Amino acid sequence: AQSVTQPDIHITVSEGASLELRCNYSYGATPYLFWYVQSPGQGLQLLLKYFSGDTLVQGIKGFEAEFKRSQSSFNLRKPSVHWSDAAEYFCAVGEGGGSYIPTFGRGTSLIVHP
Amino acid sequence: DAGVTQSPTHLIKTRGQQVTLRCSPKSGHDTVSWYQQALGQGPQFIFQYYEEEERQRGNFPDRFSGHQFPNYSSELNVNALLLGDSALYLCASSPNRVSYGYTFGSGTRLTVV
Repeated sequence: AQSVTQPDIHITVSEGASLELRCNYSYGATPYLFWYVQSPGQGLQLLLKYFSGDTLVQGIKGFEAEFKRSQSSFNLRKPSVHWSDAAEYFCAVGEGGGSYIPTFGRGTSLIVHP
Repeated sequence: DAGVTQSPTHLIKTRGQQVTLRCSPKSGHDTVSWYQQALGQGPQFIFQYYEEEERQRGNFPDRFSGHQFPNYSSELNVNALLLGDSALYLCASSPNRVSYGYTFGSGTRLTVV
């Protein structure tokens, strides 16, 4: 069965610093991978997704993620964090095909210091 | 263009009661999936509705049931509420059962006392 591990429950960074959120997945074939962001009191918004092809994926709000098959990882990065990036970030993995159901990690809470 | 609309936004119920949550999908979407998000956890898949039928189901008891209407809107029903059912319930809509096209609603916060 597919699973996702986000090893960091909380991450604290200073505004303007770079950010990397870790995600490791367990899945036998080539996975579909996603990062979502959830602001307080809001639903989840898709930041970016990887299906195939270029392993470096660009998303919205200046985020990017890199798929590394050898490490079963899909880490999220941003070169310069803004205070508005403070939120909960979820990594998700799904199997290929049209009607799969993604499995979500438990999330990483990002705290941004001024 | 409205996104996914969920109602109510907050709800307090007593143990043993029943609750109904509602979801209107994004325009053009015909598939509705429901998730439970407990505090400090990621969303857990409950079930998915397409063409008014439950197509896939997660590891949730039969106390959790749903319905989809001809206009694609959906309801989530939970019977015999337990304290552990307290969570944020998220609805996600997508086109043609494709889950990577999810649009999430803001959720319904259910508190069971």
